[in-house]
Amino acid sequence: DSGVTQTPKHLITATGQRVTLRCSPRSGDLSVYWYQQSLDQGLQFLIQYYNGEERAKGNILERFSAQQFPDLHSELNLSSLELGDSALYFCASSAGRTNTEAFFGQGTRLTVV
Amino acid sequence: SQKIEQNSEALNIQEGKTATLTCNYTNYSPAYLQWYRQDPGRGPVFLLLIRENEKEKRKERLKVTFDTTLKQSLFHITASQPADSATYLCALPNQAGTALIFGKGTTLSVSS
Repeated sequence: DSGVTQTPKHLITATGQRVTLRCSPRSGDLSVYWYQQSLDQGLQFLIQYYNGEERAKGNILERFSAQQFPDLHSELNLSSLELGDSALYFCASSAGRTNTEAFFGQGTRLTVV
Repeated sequence: SQKIEQNSEALNIQEGKTATLTCNYTNYSPAYLQWYRQDPGRGPVFLLLIRENEKEKRKERLKVTFDTTLKQSLFHITASQPADSATYLCALPNQAGTALIFGKGTTLSVSS
């Protein structure tokens, strides 16, 4: 158990809908990262938050947004969903600003139908 | 932007042999490199981190090398076991040092 909790584990939704994925980092970790993993693309970095502030952006679509709350949990919001958004979404956390060892959650499997 | 290539998508070896996986990167010099293991449907699990001033690092049956001249890391599993079957991912920090960028991984299958 990595100590990172993601909910829900599975999500099935229709195209055009909006969903929210939730992540609770390991106790004491200030950084949260979101990744998308699809079969053909591998793990793609989406966005990072450190202690409530956005720190880095990767290949995140404009339809997607995230935030980190004062209790350090994070949410990833995906809107106007398309079939191609179906993927595993992982949250990871680490202790500091700079990524050293990252601890991953078990992921949320999103299926858009 | 940096690019990471892992030598092959799949590697099949027999139990007891040494598995060697390759990670090549281009376009910059990272301060460190990491290796992760991922089982199907699960999140990656950290295995080893090697820094640019370290040539080699070991942990039990695992050994990682880091050649900054060749821009290459080798990941070895000695005395491999069927339980080592998984996908192994190489990861580097982005140039800003703010996020990990992953290779697509090599899927290792160890047969008994």
